[in-house]
Amino acid sequence: QVQLVQSGAEVKKPGASVKVSCKASGYSFTSYYIHWVRQAPGQGLEWMGMINPSGGNTVYAQNRITMTRDTSTSTVYMELSSLRSEDTAVYYCARDLWDSSGFLGYWGQGTLVTVSS
Amino acid sequence: DIQMTQSPSSLSASVGDRVTITCRASQGISNKLGWFQQKPGKAPKSLIYAASSLQSGVPSKFSGSGSGTDFTLTISSLQPEDFATYYCQQYNSYPPSFGQGTKLEIK
Repeated sequence: QVQLVQSGAEVKKPGASVKVSCKASGYSFTSYYIHWVRQAPGQGLEWMGMINPSGGNTVYAQNRITMTRDTSTSTVYMELSSLRSEDTAVYYCARDLWDSSGFLGYWGQGTLVTVSS
Repeated sequence: DIQMTQSPSSLSASVGDRVTITCRASQGISNKLGWFQQKPGKAPKSLIYAASSLQSGVPSKFSGSGSGTDFTLTISSLQPEDFATYYCQQYNSYPPSFGQGTKLEIK
């Protein structure tokens, strides 16, 4: 079955960077786009960007984000730089339901990132 | 970018009720609309894609309809496990975007 397992919670200071991982299993890693979505405390869902694990091409919602992938371990990474308090949120990776549909059919468990001085 | 607007923002209902949630897109998105359920402390779970197609394993009490700009999610015969927050998502064009959510609470 499709599984997306994310790395653990992080606490960072303002101005630092954070890198969250998402390890995929149960399907052909290079066949489906992976997206990142975040959710601030008590708020809704915000799309951050996507990566095509096959070619590594990306689309970002903002320019502080970098997404990479390691096909040897079926893992996608999302790095967010110049952190500020407003970046405190749960970060989810999610896989397209089919091909490059853009519909987020499968989700990781989430990673809480706390930005605090 | 396409804006998605859900209504109502919150809804109180009783076990056994049938409820409908609406999602409106700021421009036409064909049937490229999905719905998610999220419970506190958990990741969203996909329910419906292509406006009306049930994701595998989702009970038939959930149904969706609509096309263009106006969509609905209907949940029949509410059970305690159905009380959660529901989100719509358009995937017609990048960036994908979500509605602000509808919190379904027990009356």
